[in-house]
Amino acid sequence: AQTVTQSQPEMSVQEAETVTLSCTYDTSESDYYLFWYKQPPSRQMILVIRQEAYKQQNATENRFSVNFQKAAKSFSLKISDSQLGDAAMYFCAYRQGGSQGNLIFGKGTKLSVKP
Amino acid sequence: EPEVTQTPSHQVTQMGQEVILRCVPISNHLYFYWYRQILGQKVEFLVSFYNNEISEKSEIFDDQFSVERPDGSNFTLKIRSTKLEDSAMYFCASSNFPSEQFFGPGTRLTVL
Repeated sequence: AQTVTQSQPEMSVQEAETVTLSCTYDTSESDYYLFWYKQPPSRQMILVIRQEAYKQQNATENRFSVNFQKAAKSFSLKISDSQLGDAAMYFCAYRQGGSQGNLIFGKGTKLSVKP
Repeated sequence: EPEVTQTPSHQVTQMGQEVILRCVPISNHLYFYWYRQILGQKVEFLVSFYNNEISEKSEIFDDQFSVERPDGSNFTLKIRSTKLEDSAMYFCASSNFPSEQFFGPGTRLTVL
């Protein structure tokens, strides 16, 4: 079975600095998708970024980028120029490709941003 | 921009009572999901629904749970006899192949 591991329960970053959140996953599949979701105190789940496993190029969305290492099964999220509004829980998630299967989530990383 | 909506935002019920959580997925989406998140824990998959039937369900989704798409817009989750451990945030999501799943704002269920 596929698993997603986030080894950092909490992280802290100074405003305007850069922070990297770690995620590893385990799968025997070659076709899959990886996601980072943000959950602010309102508890809404907001998609931050997505990565298709078949793409070698790392996904980027404005200040958010990923470092996707397929062989190492690693999918880290880098937040540049951190803002106070980035403070939230961040969940890494996996979905098997070729289907609209369910998402498998990690336990999350709580990010604090210090002014 | 289209979004998934859920009602109510907060539901309080007594143990043993039935609850129905409602969701309106994005209108052109074909795949629908329910997830739950117990406070302080990770988000867990409950069930997926496509073409008017369950396509996949987790071990959490036992006989106390059921889903329905009663009309062309709503997607509901029913818990027949709630237990204390059903207290959680319940998220509805929808998608179209092969795009990502879009989540609703969630319904907080409190079972007393």
